[in-house]
Amino acid sequence: QVQLQESGPGLVKPSETLSLTCSVSHASINTDSWIWIRQPAGKGLEWIGRISTNGITNYNPSLQSRVSMSVDTSKNQFSLNLNSVTAADTAVYYCARERSGAVSGSDGHYYYYYMDVWGKGTSVAVSS
Amino acid sequence: SSDLTQDPAVSVALGQTVRITCQGDSLKTYLASWYQQKPGQAPVLVIFGKNRRPSGIPDRFSGSTSRGTAFLTITGAQAEDEADYYCNSRDSSGDHGVFGAGTKIVVL
Repeated sequence: QVQLQESGPGLVKPSETLSLTCSVSHASINTDSWIWIRQPAGKGLEWIGRISTNGITNYNPSLQSRVSMSVDTSKNQFSLNLNSVTAADTAVYYCARERSGAVSGSDGHYYYYYMDVWGKGTSVAVSS
Repeated sequence: SSDLTQDPAVSVALGQTVRITCQGDSLKTYLASWYQQKPGQAPVLVIFGKNRRPSGIPDRFSGSTSRGTAFLTITGAQAEDEADYYCNSRDSSGDHGVFGAGTKIVVL
């Protein structure tokens, strides 16, 4: 089945750039969209951003000025860069596959998005 | 702050039914998906679309939506259902994903 695996340094110094890669197995990076999510210890999930098959990106407005994502189709991987990190960026970082659909019924027309495959997560600490 | 509001915690007796909610204006346009997360593990998708379950998710999990509120119901809660549950959807702009703060379900 489809598998995602995050990789990258577990420790980043303050003010430097956090760089992570998500390797995709048993699926093509050229289909679907791909998501980064993070979770500080003891806290909830935070959506970081999304990159679609045509390279279009959407970033969390609270992180937009510091984040970028890219896709490497030759390696079937996608990446996250977060610059000017602080201790507040310490978290477990997850990558996930996003799928979408639409449905109509008597109560209206709805769109939906969901993340059906997740990586195990990688812990990143920001510390000097 | 989150565009999606969830109650922090709910308890349910073993074998009983529990329903948790997720509220947000964007849910009038975008259906929520629901994720179960146990300690030390990655989240797992349990409900998406209009009450659809991924393969392997027990049919005691169901979802519904009404006028800006999404519901996740567990009918006959089991001990292994004790976990944090997060709803996810789009924000009001439609361009960004957003999670609720999560609801901890405790099975007594």
